[in-house]
Amino acid sequence: GENVEQHPSTLSVQEGDSAVIKCTYSDSASNYFPWYKQELGKRPQLIIDIRSNVGEKKDQRIAVTLNKTAKHFSLHITETQPEDSAVYFCAAPPPRGDKLIFGTGTRLQVFP
Amino acid sequence: NAGVTQTPKFQVLKTGQSMTLQCAQDMNHEYMSWYRQDPGMGLRLIHYSVGAGITDQGEVPNGYNVSRSTTEDFPLRLLSAAPSQTSVYFCASSYSTSRNTEAFFGQGTRLTVV
Repeated sequence: GENVEQHPSTLSVQEGDSAVIKCTYSDSASNYFPWYKQELGKRPQLIIDIRSNVGEKKDQRIAVTLNKTAKHFSLHITETQPEDSAVYFCAAPPPRGDKLIFGTGTRLQVFP
Repeated sequence: NAGVTQTPKFQVLKTGQSMTLQCAQDMNHEYMSWYRQDPGMGLRLIHYSVGAGITDQGEVPNGYNVSRSTTEDFPLRLLSAAPSQTSVYFCASSYSTSRNTEAFFGQGTRLTVV
C-alpha cells in the first residue's frame, strides 16, 4: 500500500518567517496530494491540494509544490502569523484502492 | 448542511465495556472512514467504506467493527474496550470513491478507557 512520510515532526519559526513541510510518497501512480490543517482541539480541514498535472499551486500565503520524479511534495507558508500555529497533515491517496492514508503530521509553532 | 456529525463528543468507558460511536453525514458522500489520533502518531485509518453495504479494513482495525447499511451512517463499534483504545476518534467523508476530493471531518470523539 501507499506509504507517506512527513518531515519535520515539529517546526518552530518566528512570525514573518517562512515554513516548509515535506512529504514523500511511495506509489508513483498517485495523482492527488492534499494538505490539511488541524488547530488545537479542532477537526482537520483541507487548506490546499494539488493534482499531478501541475507542479505548483498557490493560495495567498500558502503554496504546494510537487516533484513527481522524486515523489515528494511540500507545503510552503510565507510571512507566517501566530494563527498559522497548528498541526499540518499531508496525504497521498493511492490510485488503486480507497485508503486515504495521512502523514504523521507536523506541529508548527509561530512565535510572535 | 450539518456536514459530518459525530456523537458523543466525550466518553469514558471501563475496560471490557462495549460502545458505538455514531457518525452521520448529510452530503450524500460515497466514501466514509474512521481514524484514531494519538499523540505523535497522526491520523491512523481504522476502517473505511466506499458505499452502502461495503466496508474494508484500514491500518489498525483490530478491536473495532463497522457497518454501512445506509449512505448517511457509518457507526464504529468497540467490542471490548481496552486502555490502548484511549484516543481521539474522527469520522470523515468525501464525495466519491475516486479519492481525489476533499475529506470532511466530524468534530471528533475523545474516548478514555479506564
